[in-house]
Amino acid sequence: GAVVSQHPSRVICKSGTSVKIECRSLDFQATTMFWYRQFPKQSLMLMATSNEGSKATYEQGVEKDKFLINHASLTLSTLTVTSAHPEDSSFYICSAQDRGAKNIQYFGAGTRLSVL
Amino acid sequence: AQTVTQSQPEMSVQEAETVTLSCTYDTSENNYYLFWYKQPPSRQMILVIRQEAYKQQNATENRFSVNFQKAAKSFSLKISDSQLGDTAMYFCAFMSIQGAQKLVFGQGTRLTINP
Repeated sequence: GAVVSQHPSRVICKSGTSVKIECRSLDFQATTMFWYRQFPKQSLMLMATSNEGSKATYEQGVEKDKFLINHASLTLSTLTVTSAHPEDSSFYICSAQDRGAKNIQYFGAGTRLSVL
Repeated sequence: AQTVTQSQPEMSVQEAETVTLSCTYDTSENNYYLFWYKQPPSRQMILVIRQEAYKQQNATENRFSVNFQKAAKSFSLKISDSQLGDTAMYFCAFMSIQGAQKLVFGQGTRLTINP
């Protein structure tokens, strides 16, 4: 099946610093990538939809200046958590939609962010 | 807006038994996709099975099958001959054919397979 690589898998940072998370589709082109946040023992909450070459579309309640998304190529999207604070600590997951099979999203392994 | 409901927060069965996970959804659309994803302790989301709403035939993937009842807006997952490796969170998800094709997830069911 299609592979989505997400890096880093775990990051610990100090409050006030920025953290970048990368999401790459390794063996397919993804015109659309999605970023989710998952709290412990809860479902996935969609944060934003990222389209290659255009601005991301954020879900209601998600601060676009806090969570910067860039989708510069058909295989790479990045999420930058700016000026991170302890309340931003969470599990972040990306997914990529296969351009050749539009209705299937393949997921990265997730990034656990801990802000001290 | 579409909603997906999984009414069973937790389930537990013995190895080799058959288990059925429930899912209902709400939509006014006629064509859409439905999915079951599995999230094991590693937290990697894995696609288990998908169903196209315009197909009446229930999807099957080896030990996994669905019971898709479009009129009732029900999409249950049956796992036959359950294995220890099936232990995971299972999420039901809806995707509209129109627009951005975002996934709408249910709350999840934590399934434990006991030896």
